[in-house]
Amino acid sequence: GAGVSQSPSNKVTEKGKDVELRCDPISGHTALYWYRQRLGQGLEFLIYFQGNSAPDKSGLPSDRFSAERTGESVSTLTIQRTQQEDSAVYLCASSLMGVAGDEQYFGPGTRLTVT
Amino acid sequence: GQNIDQPTEMTATEGAIVQINCTYQTSGFNGLFWYQQHAGEAPTFLSYNVLDGLEEKGRFSSFLSRSKGYSYLLLKELQMKDSASYLCAVRGTASFSGGYNKLIFGAGTRLAVHP
Repeated sequence: GAGVSQSPSNKVTEKGKDVELRCDPISGHTALYWYRQRLGQGLEFLIYFQGNSAPDKSGLPSDRFSAERTGESVSTLTIQRTQQEDSAVYLCASSLMGVAGDEQYFGPGTRLTVT
Repeated sequence: GQNIDQPTEMTATEGAIVQINCTYQTSGFNGLFWYQQHAGEAPTFLSYNVLDGLEEKGRFSSFLSRSKGYSYLLLKELQMKDSASYLCAVRGTASFSGGYNKLIFGAGTRLAVHP
């Protein structure tokens, strides 16, 4: 596609429910990244995919968070048993190869609110 | 550890010049990015520096000194639309043989441009 897309754009959920956030990267980009951005703060790295593999999951904050990528395209970030502290904007980015100097293109994000 | 510092907020006048500083301490260095993020929107790429010196791109310039762990973003002829957050991000060295270099973001500098 023309750019990175994410859905839904906004999600309000009750504490304890599971949520799935979707990312469609730019076609042909092999690298895909998930970030979390709390209000007024910088981007916090969550996970990196190269193809369908996730060599770096070091940023996932707990075992309630998981992500997968299929077909070297779409990725889904799943948060189980959501907590209020999970409220944030979740940003997805993709890049051509994931190497030095490789520019990351960001999607518009999903704003998650846990009530 | 890894640390990226930027001022939290800055204000400037339309038509003026502003310099946003970024200092970093990271495990390895493989380039520094500046991103612009308007409120409620995704970050967009501004510049990339991997060698020491100044990179100029229109009204925006970015400088890097690797020995000092320091960069700045210079915005000239400020316009109201330049009001945004400016994110400094450093890419570390490859963490595995695939050549992936994680991008670590600072908290961002909120710039307000006044008439």
